[in-house]
Amino acid sequence: AQSVTQLGSHVSVSEGALVLLRCNYSSSVPPYLFWYVQYPNQGLQLLLKYTSAATLVKGINGFEAEFKKSETSFHLTKPSAHMSDAAEYFCAVRDTGGFKTIFGAGTRLFVKA
Amino acid sequence: DAGITQSPRHKVTETGTPVTLRCHQTENHRYMYWYRQDPGHGLRLIHYSYGVKDTDKGEVSDGYSVSRSKTEDFLLTLESATSSQTSVYFCAISESGDSSTDTQYFGPGTRLTVL
Repeated sequence: AQSVTQLGSHVSVSEGALVLLRCNYSSSVPPYLFWYVQYPNQGLQLLLKYTSAATLVKGINGFEAEFKKSETSFHLTKPSAHMSDAAEYFCAVRDTGGFKTIFGAGTRLFVKA
Repeated sequence: DAGITQSPRHKVTETGTPVTLRCHQTENHRYMYWYRQDPGHGLRLIHYSYGVKDTDKGEVSDGYSVSRSKTEDFLLTLESATSSQTSVYFCAISESGDSSTDTQYFGPGTRLTVL
């Protein structure tokens, strides 16, 4: 069965610092992997997705994620945090050929001035 | 932004009453989904639809039913609301469902409180 684990329900960084949000997945077949962002009182918005092409995926707002099969990880990074990055971030997995997307519990990112 | 609206946006109801939430899309996408979001659980799939009158259960479907009589509308019904169904409900749509290029687009959510 598919599953997603996001390490750390809360992450706090200073403005300008590196952002690293961790995601590990479990899947019996090659997966599709996603990162979504949710701003307060809004729905989820797709940041980026991995669909078995390049292992380093670039998304919107300067975020990127690297698929590492050996580590079953898909960590999200951004070199320099901005105050506007404060939000909740969700990692998600979907089996190839499947309809159902499984979401992690989410990581809330705080950015300090 | 994808054209997805949810109504109502907020609702407070009492235990035992029926509640219907509506999701409306203007994108003509085939697939529609209902999720609930609870702290510490992320989003969990309640039901989904892969066409008009074609629906299936998700991982937390107990106590919920859905209907899709038109491509653009997907209704979620709580037949007899319970306090455990207090949550934020999100509708999502996608064009193809299972292709590598498929992306889910989310509505703004409905905050439901069951007293």
